[in-house]
Amino acid sequence: EDQVTQSPEALRLQEGESSSLNCSYTVSGLRGLFWYRQDPGKGPEFLFTLYSAGEEKEKERLKATLTKKESFLHITAPKPEDSATYLCAHSGSARQLTFGSGTQLTVLP
Amino acid sequence: EPEVTQTPSHQVTQMGQEVILRCVPISNHLYFYWYRQILGQKVEFLVSFYNNEISEKSEIFDDQFSVERPDGSNFTLKIRSTKLEDSAMYFCASSPRTGGTGELFFGEGSRLTVL
Repeated sequence: EDQVTQSPEALRLQEGESSSLNCSYTVSGLRGLFWYRQDPGKGPEFLFTLYSAGEEKEKERLKATLTKKESFLHITAPKPEDSATYLCAHSGSARQLTFGSGTQLTVLP
Repeated sequence: EPEVTQTPSHQVTQMGQEVILRCVPISNHLYFYWYRQILGQKVEFLVSFYNNEISEKSEIFDDQFSVERPDGSNFTLKIRSTKLEDSAMYFCASSPRTGGTGELFFGEGSRLTVL
């Protein structure tokens, strides 16, 4: 069964304290691994797509990496405005996205 | 910047009633989706729609649900005979390409409360 597991469930950081979020996945025939950001009461906002092991994507303070079984979202020197829930998702043989439960990130000033 | 818009933002209904959730996707997008998120749970796929027909649907999307693109701009989700467990946030999304690329543009959601 295709699955996406994210850890930790919640993470509190001080402003400027770098860290990483983990996404473990099992899927038959990975089409892509995706990261989204979701603010409270809002829809997910697309961040990155990764297609193959070893691939990396960066955007401002965020960098996403991919291995054959995991993806990491690295947050460098976070700011309070980076506080949100970060969702990992994959698409496999079925084209719909399978989401993880998310990591709720809080960055304290 | 183009965005997906959804109405209503919040709807309260009695169990057994029918509801229609409406979405206006981004104008040049070709693929449309409904996802839902029960409070505190994962975002779950319901249905995808392309070329005026359903292309994929999940086990959740049973005969109680239907989708329609009635006029070339709106995309609707109809839920017949609502149940308590239908209470959730329903997200519409659109994409210029097949969803396998993952770059879906989501609306802000319609919160459905079934009493």
